[in-house]
Amino acid sequence: GQQLNQSPQSMFIQEGEDVSMNCTSSSIFNTWLWYKQDPGEGPVLLIALYKAGELTSNGRLTAQFGITRKDSFLNISASIPSDVGIYFCAGPYPNNQGGKLIFGQGTELSVKP
Amino acid sequence: DTGVSQNPRHKITKRGQNVTFRCDPISEHNRLYWYRQTLGQGPEFLTYFQNEAQLEKSRLLSDRFSAERPKGSFSTLEIQRTEQGDSAMYLCASSPRTARGHSPLHFGNGTRLTVT
Repeated sequence: GQQLNQSPQSMFIQEGEDVSMNCTSSSIFNTWLWYKQDPGEGPVLLIALYKAGELTSNGRLTAQFGITRKDSFLNISASIPSDVGIYFCAGPYPNNQGGKLIFGQGTELSVKP
Repeated sequence: DTGVSQNPRHKITKRGQNVTFRCDPISEHNRLYWYRQTLGQGPEFLTYFQNEAQLEKSRLLSDRFSAERPKGSFSTLEIQRTEQGDSAMYLCASSPRTARGHSPLHFGNGTRLTVT
């Protein structure tokens, strides 16, 4: 079935460093979404991408919709302790108009002050 | 916008008991989704409603699971004869239907179920 593969699975970085993570699929997606989940809470939308090649920023976060439509990237600049959490990529199933999303397995980010 | 609200936040139950969770979506959102999340995994789709109609169910949703959205507002998810494998975080999300055809989902904080 459809799968989204996130890399890396986990990252341990120093405060102030930049972070890059990616998400790949064997299938084409028409939308890419990036969510962050803090412990004990639900995922919160960070960035939504709707067009191949699109580059969108939200504060220190920048995400890109890959031109092949099979991948997406999320970058975090100058990380801070509150960036700690699990980052998920997600996309709607192709030809699915119901809004159902498939999620990657997440990248867990740890930031050392 | 008060966000998606889920109750209870935590539920501990004994194997074989029935449990029911409630979700109150964002008021103007007509789509409501249930997801399940286990440790170390991303959320997995269970079912979704458009208004009061349940339009799709995942094969993950066994016959012990039932979801309702009787008036197109809040929804309930019931698990009958719970099993230890049902232990997970159950997430509810909602979204509006837009001309774009897809809108990002807004999640609640989930109900964490532990079956002993």
